[in-house]
Amino acid sequence: GEDVEQSLFLSVREGDSSVINCTYTDSSSTYLYWYKQEPGAGLQLLTYIFSNMDMKQDQRLTVLLNKKDKHLSLRIADTQTGDSAIYFCAADNFNKFYFGSGTKLNVKP
Amino acid sequence: SAVISQKPSRDICQRGTSLTIQCQVDSQVTMMFWYRQQPGQSLTLIATANQGSEATYESGFVIDKFPISRPNLTFSTLTVSNMSPEDSSIYLCSVSRGGTGEQYFGPGTRLTVT
Repeated sequence: GEDVEQSLFLSVREGDSSVINCTYTDSSSTYLYWYKQEPGAGLQLLTYIFSNMDMKQDQRLTVLLNKKDKHLSLRIADTQTGDSAIYFCAADNFNKFYFGSGTKLNVKP
Repeated sequence: SAVISQKPSRDICQRGTSLTIQCQVDSQVTMMFWYRQQPGQSLTLIATANQGSEATYESGFVIDKFPISRPNLTFSTLTVSNMSPEDSSIYLCSVSRGGTGEQYFGPGTRLTVT
């Protein structure tokens, strides 16, 4: 299998940038994903990045991938209170997804 | 994307009973997946369900405990058998869609076993 790790908590002030980090172990992962889970809800796919890319930007979201270090990050610009949720990174490996433990983002007004 | 519904959304069950969870997708998909998310934890893959073949179970999960059906390309069920309080979790189904293999998730079924 694959090990995917994330820090558990992040607290930021509204308007600041948030950076959520993730590491994975299997370099053969083709795609890496970020999901958002709000309380009592399922997982919402936010964005993904192909392993041959090192950056992908989508509106307020920027994904950075360092394939050599197997490090993935999600930057949320101008963080809003509505961004408060748990964020999961996931790595695919032969059609199986391996999820990190999730980072709980708390946005203070 | 995909629109996925699950039934029931939540249930409280007695120890020793079984519960069948249904997952319905708005269009045909080849691969469907069942996950468990224990309280405050990440997602763990239970099994992969492809239409027309037996489900493939991950280490630690067995067919007798979690039988799965996949009768067609838009529907699957997961049964949690002979439940114990340790089975209290959120159970999620997902489907794989698109050339990038991204998975889309249902809203989950919150199961409490007393």
